[in-house]
Amino acid sequence: EIVLTQSPGTLSLSPGERATLSCRASQSFRSRYLAWYLQKPGQAPRLLIYGASSRATGIPDRFSGSGSGTDFTLTISRLEPEDFAVYFCQQYVTSPWTFGQGTKVEIK
Amino acid sequence: EVQLSESGGDLVQPGGSLRLSCVASGFTFSNYAMSWVRQAPGKGLEWVSDISGSGGSTYYADSVKGRFTISRDNSQNMLYLQMNSLRAEDTAVYSCAKAYSGAYYFEYWGQGTLVTVSS
Repeated sequence: EIVLTQSPGTLSLSPGERATLSCRASQSFRSRYLAWYLQKPGQAPRLLIYGASSRATGIPDRFSGSGSGTDFTLTISRLEPEDFAVYFCQQYVTSPWTFGQGTKVEIK
Repeated sequence: EVQLSESGGDLVQPGGSLRLSCVASGFTFSNYAMSWVRQAPGKGLEWVSDISGSGGSTYYADSVKGRFTISRDNSQNMLYLQMNSLRAEDTAVYSCAKAYSGAYYFEYWGQGTLVTVSS
């Protein structure tokens, strides 16, 4: 099973600032089969990024994904008020599909 | 517009059974694999089970294998999860999710239904 470790656990930032979230895999990916999701309290997760760097439909370009191998990054260039939420990464290289434990982006 | 809506969550005693349902709309249901993902209170996301578009292939997490059964009725656009021998650690919000064609990341999710296993 591929274990995904996200860091930091919590990120305290102000609107307009840049957010950098990390997702590290226990095994190297030959393919960039990593997705990122955003989840707000009481809501379903929303797909942001797939294929490590492709934005899902309707996702603004302030969200970008990068990385390969074992290290992946989600960057939010300028935080908007609606971006404060929990972010999860997920690998779909091999079953069981696994998720990171989440990074909470909170208002400073 | 893709919509997924779950139902069937409830309070059940340990060892009991429950059947969750998910109704789908806005896409050709039989063309897509579907999944169940759960989230325990205050915890992260855990994949539970997948089923292929035809229903001919199913996959389970080790934590539920032998106790849960995923199925679908493509004529009714319905996805199901039969949960037997429930344990306290199965307590979670269960969401159905639509997998992207050919890859198991989840484009769309339902809001989820709460299953509580407690005496």
